[in-house]
Amino acid sequence: EDKVVQSPLSLVVHEGDTVTLNCSYEVTNFRSLLWYKQEKKAPTFLFMLTSSGIEKKSGRLSSILDKKELSSILNITATQTGDSAIYLCAVEPRFGNEKLTFGTGTRLTIIP
Amino acid sequence: SQTIHQWPATLVQPVGSPLSLECTVEGTSNPNLYWYRQAAGRGLQLLFYSVGIGQISSEVPQNLSASRPQDRQFILSSKKLLLSDSGFYLCAWSPQGKYGNQPQHFGDGTRLSIL
Repeated sequence: EDKVVQSPLSLVVHEGDTVTLNCSYEVTNFRSLLWYKQEKKAPTFLFMLTSSGIEKKSGRLSSILDKKELSSILNITATQTGDSAIYLCAVEPRFGNEKLTFGTGTRLTIIP
Repeated sequence: SQTIHQWPATLVQPVGSPLSLECTVEGTSNPNLYWYRQAAGRGLQLLFYSVGIGQISSEVPQNLSASRPQDRQFILSSKKLLLSDSGFYLCAWSPQGKYGNQPQHFGDGTRLSIL
């Protein structure tokens, strides 16, 4: 059974700090790892990491996939209050109609 | 562009009552469709997925069911709700038969409270 573990469960930092969120996984026939940001309603897509794309960056957010360690990190630099959200990590197996297995998420709170 | 709609946004139902949540996708055809449940403090749990009209796969045994009467319509139902059915229900879609990887995209969800 596929499994995703995220840490820490929650994190409180001050505006301007840099944070690193962790995701470790177990999946049969790995295809991709995805990061989502969930504020109040719909999770919104951030990054997809695959064997051919192990590092992604968008503005202050970046993510790296370590296939050897079966893990990924999500970095946010110069945090802002708008970064406060639950960050979800999910893995997709190569065969399985793109079914995702999600972790429980990291709740990030940015204090002004 | 593609959009996904879910309704209602919130719902309060008594134990034992029926349930019908609806999800529709616009701007694409033949999508994969998914129903997830998110309980408080827990990750998203996949309930059902569908690769085509009338094709439903269940991931978790429960008193819920799903149907896909039209290509871009996905319905989550129950005949008799249980207290344990409370949670946040999310519908998602992804392109089918894709070349290259594309992520799932989520609707705004339905917050269901069972009294």
